[in-house]
Amino acid sequence: GAGVSQSPRYKVTKRGQDVALRCDPISGHVSLYWYRQALGQGPEFLTYFNYEAQQDKSGLPNDRFSAERPEGSISTLTIQRTEQRDSAMYRCASSALTSGNYNEQFFGPGTRLTVL
Amino acid sequence: QKEVEQNSGPLSVPEGAIASLNCTYSDRGSQSFFWYRQYSGKSPELIMFIYSNGDKEDGRFTAQLNKASQYVSLLIRDSQPSDSATYLCAVNMERSGGYNKLIFGAGTRLAVHP
Repeated sequence: GAGVSQSPRYKVTKRGQDVALRCDPISGHVSLYWYRQALGQGPEFLTYFNYEAQQDKSGLPNDRFSAERPEGSISTLTIQRTEQRDSAMYRCASSALTSGNYNEQFFGPGTRLTVL
Repeated sequence: QKEVEQNSGPLSVPEGAIASLNCTYSDRGSQSFFWYRQYSGKSPELIMFIYSNGDKEDGRFTAQLNKASQYVSLLIRDSQPSDSATYLCAVNMERSGGYNKLIFGAGTRLAVHP
């Protein structure tokens, strides 16, 4: 595909369940980012991958959140024991380069997570 | 104090006017700055980036940066109804890792009326 894809687009789960959100970046993009966006707010940085290496996870809210990108392409963001406050749009972005001032991040359509 | 601050709006301008969107940031060491546009229900898309003091023009858009005042703005000339969207200011907070750790403001909603 031409752009970043994410699945599922919508996820409704019950409190306490685990969820896995998938991101398929633009082919060849080495950098991958996860963000969380609450309604009426800008995206909030969660974590960053350079190929398969998770270089920055400073934005993950707590240890219920984890992410992986084992082969340097597709990434999964996992939220364990979901809570209602986890409800948000989760967005993935990818970019081509790892260095320099300017690396455009291309955002995916997001996964809307609702925790009941 | 939030790291990146924007007026939430809505900013309402008539078609053909200049829309001025403003953003301030707290980290004096920030080096690069981005403006994203987000239509309702859609994902953000990059409009412009800037990392040198002064103005940078691209078509109807001009980004302005003043690092001494920790201020970045976006001007949209000849505003069109299709420019109606939320405009997100983002600041790269990363220093040494060579990637863009973007901290976003909450966005300013722009409404261009015919």
